[in-house]
Amino acid sequence: GAVVSQHPSWVICKSGTSVKIECRSLDFQATTMFWYRQFPKQSLMLMATSNEGSKATYEQGVEKDKFLINHASLTLSTLTVTSAHPEDSSFYICSARDGRGQFFGPGTRLTVL
Amino acid sequence: KNQVEQSPQSLIILEGKNCTLQCNYTVSPFSNLRWYKQDTGRGPVSLTIMTFSENTKSNGRYTATLDADTKQSSLHITASQLSDSASYICVVLPPGGYQKVTFGTGTKLQVIP
Repeated sequence: GAVVSQHPSWVICKSGTSVKIECRSLDFQATTMFWYRQFPKQSLMLMATSNEGSKATYEQGVEKDKFLINHASLTLSTLTVTSAHPEDSSFYICSARDGRGQFFGPGTRLTVL
Repeated sequence: KNQVEQSPQSLIILEGKNCTLQCNYTVSPFSNLRWYKQDTGRGPVSLTIMTFSENTKSNGRYTATLDADTKQSSLHITASQLSDSASYICVVLPPGGYQKVTFGTGTKLQVIP
């Protein structure tokens, strides 16, 4: 199998708070994990790429101090949206890759009030 | 710049009818081309995976074709069902294990009774 889970599946928070999203590869080890953001009616946009045990590589325009990524193990990566604001409201999707390919999580809907 | 463009942008068809979605890409070289189905509020789910040497790949009512010479791919859906309503995304992966994938713009399909 190649199951990727995300938790939580949806979250509502107040502006200024921080939110942590977990991404887990349940039945395989992922050497690389990706975090995407998707706004309504738009395609997935890559935010950052992370390899286990090393710092994430952020795409241009993505603030690394705002979107903290920790890839602590081969099965877990976390994305923390710090001091979230309404414009951060989006659908966040993680993806995990191993030798067979890249597999997507179900996504996390973040709404910042 | 590597691009993946899909057409049409959106499509409405009657239940039971067939439809074909198009994907044109400029990514070169590429390792494989994938079609994903993304339900609203969910992460993408893989439908087909084709390497550059494959011309066609089927998965139930979904049949993908690939013409590496013209850099075109299509996804044909046979006998559409209401559950086929979703966004369909063409994704091209370059060679190398950890290169970035290029996502297509997506086609929003709506199947109506």
